[in-house]
Amino acid sequence: NAGVTQTPKFRVLKTGQSMTLLCAQDMNHEYMYWYRQDPGMGLRLIHYSVGEGTTAKGEVPDGYNVSRLKKQNFLLGLESAAPSQTSVYFCASRKSGTSYISNTGELFFGEGSRLTVL
Amino acid sequence: GIQVEQSPPDLILQEGANSTLRCNFSDSVNNLQWFHQNPWGQLINLFYIPSGTKQNGRLSATTVATERYSLLYISSSQTTDSGVYFCAADRAGGTSYGKLTFGQGTILTVHP
Repeated sequence: NAGVTQTPKFRVLKTGQSMTLLCAQDMNHEYMYWYRQDPGMGLRLIHYSVGEGTTAKGEVPDGYNVSRLKKQNFLLGLESAAPSQTSVYFCASRKSGTSYISNTGELFFGEGSRLTVL
Repeated sequence: GIQVEQSPPDLILQEGANSTLRCNFSDSVNNLQWFHQNPWGQLINLFYIPSGTKQNGRLSATTVATERYSLLYISSSQTTDSGVYFCAADRAGGTSYGKLTFGQGTILTVHP
């Protein structure tokens, strides 16, 4: 059981280049999220999806696009990378609903993707 | 949105010591989780605890939802406990879709 898998793990881009980060989960989770983490800060939500074919903006969506064509995959795209997008990106997923007893609602993270924009 | 504040920001311990980390949140929550980010950057789930108390080995957590805080207890700390501890919560009511807001974290360093 792989859980949440992100590719690539590391990437270096030049300003203006584009790229896509792929997140795949094998837990049949409905909800998926992309977060970014910058030094000295907690994680901030970029975009999220509550099901196949749906996406929504989070706290810091500017400069990013997302797609969820299949339930198990959530893609994060940078159309024209900027140095301010240098960060570590985390994908996460969870079941819909909330249950304290069964831990429904627990969020699971991938290992992160470190992106540097020069 | 919901505000999540953690204290202390930094904590240095000798191996074997006990510690308590605190998380305050500004609204009622559906979901509250504690994570440990290890020195390699991995985010590891510790507790899913919107209310009540849970224990897992040397770690335990308590959330008092009515008073809007959660505590993470680490007993007999080990060097492998070092890293950053995050609390994260999503606001109850409406359709939050589980969007967690993270605190700034507590950096824990355990010396041998």
